[in-house]
This record gives sequence, structure tokens and C-alpha cells, in this order.
Amino acid sequence: DVKVTQSSRYLVKRTGEKVFLECVQDMDHENMFWYRQDPGLGLRLIYFSYDVKMKEKGDIPEGYSVSREKKERFSLILESASTNQTSMYLCASLGLAGGKLREQYFGPGTRLTVT
Amino acid sequence: GDSVTQMEGPVTLSEEAFLTINCTYTATGYPSLFWYVQYPGEGLQLLLKATKADDKGSNKGFEATYRKETTSFHLEKGSVQVSDSAVYFCALSDRGGGSQGNLIFGKGTKLSVKP
Repeated sequence: DVKVTQSSRYLVKRTGEKVFLECVQDMDHENMFWYRQDPGLGLRLIYFSYDVKMKEKGDIPEGYSVSREKKERFSLILESASTNQTSMYLCASLGLAGGKLREQYFGPGTRLTVT
Repeated sequence: GDSVTQMEGPVTLSEEAFLTINCTYTATGYPSLFWYVQYPGEGLQLLLKATKADDKGSNKGFEATYRKETTSFHLEKGSVQVSDSAVYFCALSDRGGGSQGNLIFGKGTKLSVKP
């Protein structure tokens, strides 16, 4: 079974702090994604990466950056956390199989509160 | 751009009731369509998918048919159980043929089933 793990289930940070959210997958997947989930807004894509050291902006990249130094790990960075970044953050990975991309597998999420 | 619209919740049903959650989409080309489920405290799991017009996806008693003429992918289940209580997300990918790349999600519909 594919396992996508996230470093924390719950996190409380203060405004202005630098925050790191870590995501690790164990299936050698090429593609990884970071979403945020907010009530009434569904899931919105922040950033994705299709290979090591490669990254692409999603729909709402402002205030975030990412790092993909190793294939299995994709980090989301909040350079200076703000209260409007309080949210549930979901990581997902997606692998190639038979020349086709397969389903996205999601981690359990990190609920971040910025005070 | 591409978008997904699904019925707003919450939806509350009694056990063994019939469930329909409406989903319509706007897309250029021929998207693949998906339903994801998020149980309390967990990440998203793929529930079912359909890759071309008139395909029916099914899993765990849930079904959805890809209707190109009405651009819809409504989720149905004949008899819900308490364990079906979750948030359901409709999603599309603009990669056809069952592959996934970036997904566009609806806002989610929360289902509560009472015993």
C-alpha cells in the first residue's frame, strides 16, 4: 500500500514564524502536491512538483514556497506565517504506471493554526 | 477554466435511505471524473472514477455515471450506512484515459447518516 505521511497532525504557530510542513511518500512517486482545505472552498492547489528540484505554482502560491531535494520528500514552507494561513494542509503523491499517471494518494493532513 | 460544482451540504439522512450528491463540471476536452471521500480525521481516498462518456464508476455500493450531454457525474447509493458519514468531493482531471495529473475539486459535501 502507498503510504503518504505528514510530519504533524496538529500544529500551532505564531504570526511571523517560519513554518515547515513535511510530506514523505514511500512509493517512489514522481509527482507530489500540496493543497489547502478550507470549509466551503474545497481543496485548492498551492504547489506541485513533478521531479526532484522541480516545482510549479498551483492556484494559490502566494505566501508559500516548497522544496523537493529528494524524491520521497516534499516540504511546504510558510516564510512568515499569517492568521489567514490557518487551514488544513494536505499532501498527495502520484506515480507513473504503464505510461499513465495513476491516482493521487493523500496524507492524513496537518491542521495548522496561526495565532 | 475548468471547474466543478457540487451540491452544498450538509446532507443528513437516516440509515438505509437513498443518497444522491449532484456534481456538474465545466471542462474543455475530455476530462476524467472522480469521487473522493474523506472520513473524519483522515486524508482523501479515491472512491470511484470514470474516464469517458457513459462510463459508470462503482465501489462500496456507490455509483456514478459520466454524462457528457449533461456534464454531470452524480454520486448515488441505494442504502446508506452510518459508516458512510464523511465529506465527499467531486473532482476532474483534464488528462483523459484514466490518468490523473492535477485535479480540480468541488467544494465538498458533508454527509451525516443517523441510525
